Amino acid sequence: NAGVMQNPRHLVRRRGQEARLRCSPMKGHSHVYWYRQLPEEGLKFMVYLQKENIIDESGMPKERFSAEFPKEGPSILRIQQVVRGDSAAYFCASSPLSDSGANVLTFGAGSRLTVL
Amino acid sequence: GENVEQHPSTLSVQEGDSAVIKCTYSDSASNYFPWYKQELGKRPQLIIDIRSNVGEKKDQRIAVTLNKTAKHFSLHITETQPEDSAVYFCAATPGGFNKFYFGSGTKLNVKP
Repeated sequence: NAGVMQNPRHLVRRRGQEARLRCSPMKGHSHVYWYRQLPEEGLKFMVYLQKENIIDESGMPKERFSAEFPKEGPSILRIQQVVRGDSAAYFCASSPLSDSGANVLTFGAGSRLTVL
Repeated sequence: GENVEQHPSTLSVQEGDSAVIKCTYSDSASNYFPWYKQELGKRPQLIIDIRSNVGEKKDQRIAVTLNKTAKHFSLHITETQPEDSAVYFCAATPGGFNKFYFGSGTKLNVKP
């Protein structure tokens, strides 16, 4: 089991460009979470998705940020027109969630975005 | 929604001493409380968790206690070692189709 796979591990963008971060959940996991972490800070929830459905996007900025988890392929976090304040580590996590609540969260290695 | 508070933000102990990190939560519906360890530049990794139907759980030098009435849970690390130095995050979730709410983290430094 390869675990939660994120790519790219490091991404450098200039202001105004687009950043796309990808996450493949663990095998058998159908739920994906995205968290943002600024240096020396905690994990800030962004969005929670299952296949073809956004369950909770209350932590996502209203503009420039979007996320999807298609039926086939990885989950993608997209940041348009990046600004310096978007520089952070973006962690994806997945869970084998059942609606009975027996969920355990496993994190990927993170994607570190640097905006110049 | 849930609000998880974590204390202290930094903790420095001598090797061999014990370390205790405390978290409180606000939503009585929360029923699952994991603890994650994050080493510098690495991913958060689950080290121990507890569900609301038990009051304490141990795994070698690590233990977690839960007081549902007071809505707080704690991480206890005994006989600390330098490799325990990391940032520790607590979390709470009501389970089901709900997100995990994380504390702000505790930076533990174990001095040799």
